[in-house]
Amino acid sequence: AQTVTQSQPEMSVQEAETVTLSCTYDTSENNYYLFWYKQPPSRQMILVIRQEAYKQQNATENRFSVNFQKAAKSFSLKISDSQLGDTAMYFCAFLGPNSGYALNFGKGTSLLVTP
Amino acid sequence: DGGITQSPKYLFRKEGQNVTLSCEQNLNHDAMYWYRQDPGQGLRLIYYSQIVNDFQKGDIAEGYSVSREKKESFPLTVTSAQKNPTAFYLCASKALAGGTTFTDTQYFGPGTRLTVL
Repeated sequence: AQTVTQSQPEMSVQEAETVTLSCTYDTSENNYYLFWYKQPPSRQMILVIRQEAYKQQNATENRFSVNFQKAAKSFSLKISDSQLGDTAMYFCAFLGPNSGYALNFGKGTSLLVTP
Repeated sequence: DGGITQSPKYLFRKEGQNVTLSCEQNLNHDAMYWYRQDPGQGLRLIYYSQIVNDFQKGDIAEGYSVSREKKESFPLTVTSAQKNPTAFYLCASKALAGGTTFTDTQYFGPGTRLTVL
């Protein structure tokens, strides 16, 4: 089974600064997908960004970008120009062809953006 | 607006009772999922369904049951056999083919908070 590890339980960043959240995963599969989800205090899970493993180009979505290192099995999320509304739990998730079509989640990183 | 709805938002259960959590989607998605979230944990899969009248157990199915009689609906019953049901429950759905959404991406409902009294 695939495992997803987020080694930073809590992080904080000042408004307008940049922060990077780490994620590593373990798999023997070659084709898979990786995701970052955001869970604000409302607890709604919101998709932030997705990455297809067969694409070498790192995904970007406005202020959010990833650093995908396939050989190292690393998938970090960079948030630029942090905003107060970015305060949330961030979950890294893995989807592979042999995972029963279900996501494997890390335990999350709690991000606090301060004024 | 297309989306996923879950009801109720808060649910209280007495010991020994069965309760049912509702999940409805109007996204025309084929697959639906139930996850459980505990404090300090990621989401863990309870059940999933890829087609009407068919579903599979996830990692923590014991004490739960589901049905999939309609494409739009995937209710979860928490039975009295579930020893520690207090948690946050999230429903998700995903397209399996075609359409305008990615077939690898799951979209989530707002969740139900279940508390055992």
